[in-house]
Amino acid sequence: DTGVSQDPRHKITKRGQNVTFRCDPISEHNRLYWYRQTLGQGPEFLTYFQNEAQLEKSRLLSDRFSAERPKGSFSTLEIQRTEQGDSAMYLCASNRGSNTEAFFGQGTRLTVV
Amino acid sequence: AQSVSQHNHHVILSEAASLELGCNYSYGGTVNLFWYVQYPGQHLQLLLKYFSGDPLVKGIKGFEAEFIKSKFSFNLRKPSVQWSDTAEYFCAVSLNNAGNMLTFGGGTRLMVKP
Repeated sequence: DTGVSQDPRHKITKRGQNVTFRCDPISEHNRLYWYRQTLGQGPEFLTYFQNEAQLEKSRLLSDRFSAERPKGSFSTLEIQRTEQGDSAMYLCASNRGSNTEAFFGQGTRLTVV
Repeated sequence: AQSVSQHNHHVILSEAASLELGCNYSYGGTVNLFWYVQYPGQHLQLLLKYFSGDPLVKGIKGFEAEFIKSKFSFNLRKPSVQWSDTAEYFCAVSLNNAGNMLTFGGGTRLMVKP
């Protein structure tokens, strides 16, 4: 499968723990996006990268969240000191550039207990 | 900031019925418009997109959408639904700028009864 790949698919963690998710975009795509989706809502933009540069961050991305894309290929999203309100589906998407279709991964479902 | 409204949260139809899902956005500038579908247990998939040109856009699986600029709308239609169309449908907008981040509506959950 050459689509967007996310790992893990599910993560259950205790409040206060740190978690890290990984996204592998489609190989020739230079743009990578992170979104968050809570139950009954549409996805909300968190941040995006063009190659290794993080170009925009949403206000939703608190100081406890950090994302990296060190070599312009895969990306990681880390949440420190998780809270119950962080429970959501975290989606990754990639595309080639301006005005092109974004392809989504299957997401990582985070449950904070 | 732009926003996207989908008027119907849940729609139940019988097979062969016609479908129209409403989508309105708030932004006065140039936008790109999308409909994504999420089948149960699967990832978001693009149904159709509008960047420019003919405002009537045809997508996969017999879906189409019409961009009406004066109404800030991009409604999704299908003349005859099938049971396999049961899914959640999301309208999304991106600004025609460098980032192209998507702003999604809240989604419409469609159930098609066989």
